[in-house]
Amino acid sequence: GAGVSQSPSNKVTEKGKDVELRCDPISGHTALYWYRQSLGQGLEFLIYFQGNSAPDKSGLPSDRFSAERTGGSVSTLTIQRTQQEDSAVYLCASSFSSGGAYNEQFFGPGTRLTVL
Amino acid sequence: ILNVEQSPQSLHVQEGDSTNFTCSFPSSNFYALHWYRWETAKSPEALFVMTLNGDEKKKGRISATLNTKEGYSYLYIKGSQPEDSATYLCAFRSTGRRALTFGSGTRLQVQP
Repeated sequence: GAGVSQSPSNKVTEKGKDVELRCDPISGHTALYWYRQSLGQGLEFLIYFQGNSAPDKSGLPSDRFSAERTGGSVSTLTIQRTQQEDSAVYLCASSFSSGGAYNEQFFGPGTRLTVL
Repeated sequence: ILNVEQSPQSLHVQEGDSTNFTCSFPSSNFYALHWYRWETAKSPEALFVMTLNGDEKKKGRISATLNTKEGYSYLYIKGSQPEDSATYLCAFRSTGRRALTFGSGTRLQVQP
């Protein structure tokens, strides 16, 4: 079946502009995660959604970052007033549920964001 | 702040060589340890999820061990092939937390 998809695959923007990144999780997956990898860094957790529960936003680096998940499926990560330090690969992952120890997260191919 | 370290940062080996990498993580509040392979321009691919101290997992030529008491995991690749070239990531999950904390990865290059 189809995996996690993300769009766009690449995005170049100017400093100060807003950007929206989209994630389509695997059908039936109730948990959705956003991570990012900045140059030379490991994957960094941003935000997590589980069903209809309030999202865990503890990883968002500033209030310029927000995300929503409509209808328990597609998610959009929005970055307002982008800064050069926002340049990174943004990865989305989904899973059936998040509770079990063997729960596996399936990743999308990522969106490479470059802020000039 | 959870600290997940991987070593070495990068590795160049010849085809046929066997190799191993290390992932160290906090020994307290352990819930699970994940290994992923991330090839350039592709999605990270799950290799193993390990939860029990002493766990050993194997998939083809790749295997992994887990020591939760001392906080480390080893990933082994036997008889490396050029298609094994990728970045290998480990990720730690602590109790009570859903998200994974990743190491910065080991980049493996296998020369034919």
